[in-house]
Amino acid sequence: GEDVEQSLFLSVREGDSSVINCTYTDSSSTYLYWYKQEPGAGLQLLTYIFSNMDMKQDQRLTVLLNKKDKHLSLRIADTQTGDSAIYFCAAQDSNYQLIWGAGTKLIIKP
Amino acid sequence: DAGVTQSPTHLIKTRGQHVTLRCSPISGHKSVSWYQQVLGQGPQFIFQYYEKEERGRGNFPDRFSARQFPNYSSELNVNALLLGDSALYLCASSLVVGLGSADTQYFGPGTRLTVL
Repeated sequence: GEDVEQSLFLSVREGDSSVINCTYTDSSSTYLYWYKQEPGAGLQLLTYIFSNMDMKQDQRLTVLLNKKDKHLSLRIADTQTGDSAIYFCAAQDSNYQLIWGAGTKLIIKP
Repeated sequence: DAGVTQSPTHLIKTRGQHVTLRCSPISGHKSVSWYQQVLGQGPQFIFQYYEKEERGRGNFPDRFSARQFPNYSSELNVNALLLGDSALYLCASSLVVGLGSADTQYFGPGTRLTVL
C-alpha cells in the first residue's frame, strides 16, 4: 500500500524560504495535499496538486511535484512566525482515501 | 458558512467504557471520514462514509464503528475503551467521493479523547 514519508523537523530564519519535502510510494496517487496543523488545532488545508501537474503556486506557497521520483515539496516564501506549525503531506490512494506522512515541524528562528 | 463541527471537544473516559463522537459536515458535503491522530503522528484513517454507506475502513478493530445519518452527519462509536485509544479524533467532510478535486477533505477541530 501507499507509504508517505517526511522529515520530522525543519528550522529556518524568519524571512527566509522554507522547503518541506515529502516522498510517496504509490505512483497511481492522483491528488497530493499539504495540510497545516497548529498546536491543539485541527488540520487546515493549504493546497493540493493533481498528479499531471509539475508546479502549483498560491500566494506565498509553491508546490513542486516530481512524479518520476515520487517527490513532493512545499515552499513557503518569506517565512513568518505565524507559519510555525506541523505540515502534513497526504496522498490520495486508489480507494480515494488519504495516506499521511508523520508531519514536519517548522521552527522559525528570529 | 460553517465549517465541519465536532462534539464534544474534550472527553475523559475510563477503560472499558463506551464513547460516541459526533460530526456535522460542511453544508452540501455528502462524505464524512474519520481519523485517529495519536500525539506526534499523522492521522490514521478509520472510516469513510458516502451517502450513508460505508465506503472504506482502515485497519482498526471491530470495537470501532460508525454511521452516517440522512442529514449526512456522522457518529463514531468506540466500545471497550483501551488506554491506547487516547488520541485526537478528526472528522473530515468532502463533497463527493471519487470525483477528483471534489474529494478534497476539510477537517473539523477534533475531539480529544483521554482514556484513564
